[in-house]
Amino acid sequence: SQQGEEDPQALSIQEGENATMNCSYKTSINNLQWYRQNSGRGLVHLILIRSNEREKHSGRLRVTLDTSKKSSSLLITASRAADTASYFCATDASGATNKLIFGTGTLLAVQP
Amino acid sequence: GAVVSQHPSWVICKSGTSVKIECRSLDFQATTMFWYRQFPKQSLMLMATSNEGSKATYEQGVEKDKFLINHASLTLSTLTVTSAHPEDSSFYICSARDFNSFYEQYFGPGTRLTVT
Repeated sequence: SQQGEEDPQALSIQEGENATMNCSYKTSINNLQWYRQNSGRGLVHLILIRSNEREKHSGRLRVTLDTSKKSSSLLITASRAADTASYFCATDASGATNKLIFGTGTLLAVQP
Repeated sequence: GAVVSQHPSWVICKSGTSVKIECRSLDFQATTMFWYRQFPKQSLMLMATSNEGSKATYEQGVEKDKFLINHASLTLSTLTVTSAHPEDSSFYICSARDFNSFYEQYFGPGTRLTVT
């Protein structure tokens, strides 16, 4: 399967704590993207990191990319109850197709 | 920002019937659209890549005769689930790539299909 792996599968933390999710993938990539999905809803694009970038920030989000290990991490700082959702990484593989292959996802629950 | 719509939002149909789901890019042209399927508590699985004016490219294991894709214009792609069965019940999500942007994909809100 081309699908990437994410860990943990599920994570429960208290409001104010940081949440870290990891993503591993298998192929060479153009970029890696992180998405959020509330239960039964569509996807919200969070951040895109290109293969030549190592770290990127957006508000309370920090993404790292290690292409040598084929892995990425998403850090959400000072979490809020509203951050409760599923988080997916998606890789845009090298080549002309630009199709996204999604990871297995991490279900984050932030307790108020 | 770029908006992608899907219609319907949800549909319930009887086994053996066909269901058409539309995916529209509302404020940009999309030469390429993608169709995903998501089962409960699982990730998105890419079903096919739809290119305007040409045949769709299906992922391994996806039956092209069962999931008919038509990308008739730069703003519309349709997915028809033919002879639907209960195991086809799923959340179907489309995304569209902006013609003017190499990387950006915009996702629709999804269509929940329930086959009884």
